[in-house]
Formats: sequence, C-alpha cells, structure tokens
Amino acid sequence: GAVVSQHPSRVICKSGTSVKIECRSLDFQATTMFWYRQFPKKSLMLMATSNEGSKATYEQGVEKDKFLINHASLTLSTLTVTSAHPEDSSFYICSARGHWENNEQFFGPGTRLTVL
Amino acid sequence: GQNIDQPTEMTATEGAIVQINCTYQTSGFNGLFWYQQHAGEAPTFLSYNVLDGLEEKGRFSSFLSRSKGYSYLLLKELQMKDSASYLCAVLDSNYQLIWGAGTKLIIKP
Repeated sequence: GAVVSQHPSRVICKSGTSVKIECRSLDFQATTMFWYRQFPKKSLMLMATSNEGSKATYEQGVEKDKFLINHASLTLSTLTVTSAHPEDSSFYICSARGHWENNEQFFGPGTRLTVL
Repeated sequence: GQNIDQPTEMTATEGAIVQINCTYQTSGFNGLFWYQQHAGEAPTFLSYNVLDGLEEKGRFSSFLSRSKGYSYLLLKELQMKDSASYLCAVLDSNYQLIWGAGTKLIIKP
C-alpha cells in the first residue's frame, strides 16, 4: 500500500507557542490531503481538506486562523497549530488520497500534541 | 443529517468469530470502508465495499447491503492482536468520509 509519513510523532510545547506538523506521501502523489483530530476513545473528527495549490476547506467549527494548513506540493501538507493552548492537546492524524478508483485514504502514523 | 452507528464495545474469545455491525444514513453513497485502529496509532485499511455482497480477505470479511444501509465486518479465528477499535466509514456524495465512532473489540483468552 501507499505510505504516508507524519512528523513529529510526539511534541510537547508550552502554551502560546506554535507547532508545525508535516504530512508527506512518500511513494505517490496526493491529490487531496485530510487533517483529522481524535480525542481519547472518540472517533476521527475531520478538521480540513486540502488540495494541492489551493486553500484548504475547513469543517464547521474549526478555526482557520488557529489551524493553518498549507498544501504546497503533491507530496506535502503542513498543519500549524498557532498559539497553542492546553485544550489543543490531541492526536492529530493526516491522510492522503491519490488517483485511485476506490478513493481510499492512507493515513499517517499520527502526531500526539501535548500543550502544557 | 448524516449518521453512522456501530456498537461501542464488543468482547469475544480467542479463536472464535465476531461480527461487527454498522448502519448508515448518508447523503449519497460512494463506498464503505472498514479500518482497524490500535490504541495510540493511526487507522489502517481493512476493506472497501461499493457493491452489495461479501468481500473476503483472509480472516476478515466485509458485507454490504446498500438497500438496507447496512454493513458488517466478520473476523474469524480471532487472535489477541485483533484487540483494537474497528471504524466504519462511508464515502458520501461529495467523496467525503463520514466516520462512525468505532467499535472497541476486546479479545479474551
């Protein structure tokens, strides 16, 4: 299957700082990348969808200025959590989709963010 | 609204068979996925159904009935490593994945 990497896998930061998470498709071109957030024992919550070279589409209730998404190339998307606060602590997962018939999404390993 | 229902938790015995059900109501349908997620890890793909019927892949099988808005994931010869959450997700008319809350499967020796 296709491989998606995510970096960093874990990050601990102080309140008020910004954190950047990278998502890369290693062996395919990702036409679309998705960013999810998951709270403990809860399902995945879609935050935004991004297509290469265009602005991300955010889900209702997700602050665009808080969660900056850049999809600069067909293999890289970044999520920046700006001015992080303890309530932003969560598991962030990206996924990528290429030109496949079944529209399957391949997931990165996730990033555990802890804001102190 | 869009809704996907699956049981919160199930328990089964090692070596046995378990069926995890999923019912859905979505705006359009372009396929149904099952993913496995171990604690602290990202989901991994198990199966994809877009036509009615049963898809078998080793110990795992997935069934779909579009007219009933229903799917199940069947796991045979259960192993301890199958303890995980199983997520049902439907691709809607906008090709967006709508996720169920997941079913936590506990395997006992």
